[in-house]
Amino acid sequence: DAGITQSPRYKITETGRQVTLMCHQTWSHSYMFWYRQDLGHGLRLIYYSAAADITDKGEVPDGYVVSRSKTENFPLTLESATRSQTSVYFCASSDGWWGSSTDTQYFGPGTRLTVL
Amino acid sequence: TQLLEQSPQFLSIQEGENLTVYCNSSSVFSSLQWYRQEPGEGPVLLVTVVTGGEVKKLKRLTFQFGDARKDSSLHITAAQPGDTGLYLCAGGSNYKLTFGKGTLLTVNP
Repeated sequence: DAGITQSPRYKITETGRQVTLMCHQTWSHSYMFWYRQDLGHGLRLIYYSAAADITDKGEVPDGYVVSRSKTENFPLTLESATRSQTSVYFCASSDGWWGSSTDTQYFGPGTRLTVL
Repeated sequence: TQLLEQSPQFLSIQEGENLTVYCNSSSVFSSLQWYRQEPGEGPVLLVTVVTGGEVKKLKRLTFQFGDARKDSSLHITAAQPGDTGLYLCAGGSNYKLTFGKGTLLTVNP
């Protein structure tokens, strides 16, 4: 199916475990983004990628790792999950080669992660 | 750090009423986007405004970008239950967006 998908949609894990959230887009968009959404904080940028093998930190990168070996995939890994990482995670992609701020960001449906 | 303040945080109105939500910042943005998010889904772009003073209309929704490109407003005329959702503004700078915390709108039939 065309679009942007995330998996899993729901995940429960324990403190200290490694967790990987997957994001896949079918548009060949150059830019991809990971956000977390929390009550009282809104959407905050974790990491972004301008192209395959090019990634950079956003506002709240600590405790997260990303990679982008292929244009269509942008996995987010929590190396050692903490309770403060309980959140809803959204992946997004953007269609501009230059990633202009006027480009539309298309969001996935989100992954609800609970860390016990 | 660029911040966007949205007000009100919550808004509950009756069908047919008009409403305005605000998005304010002390920073200048190159663009301002409005998104709507429904429960269990990701945000969906409604509009992008780029020019100071710009006004865009999308059916019953009117969006305005402040002259100084630091603030924006969203006005909904004759609100309907289908307008219920979380409205987010986002300021654009290069390739990154800074989001406000959102206005949760409930339109009661």
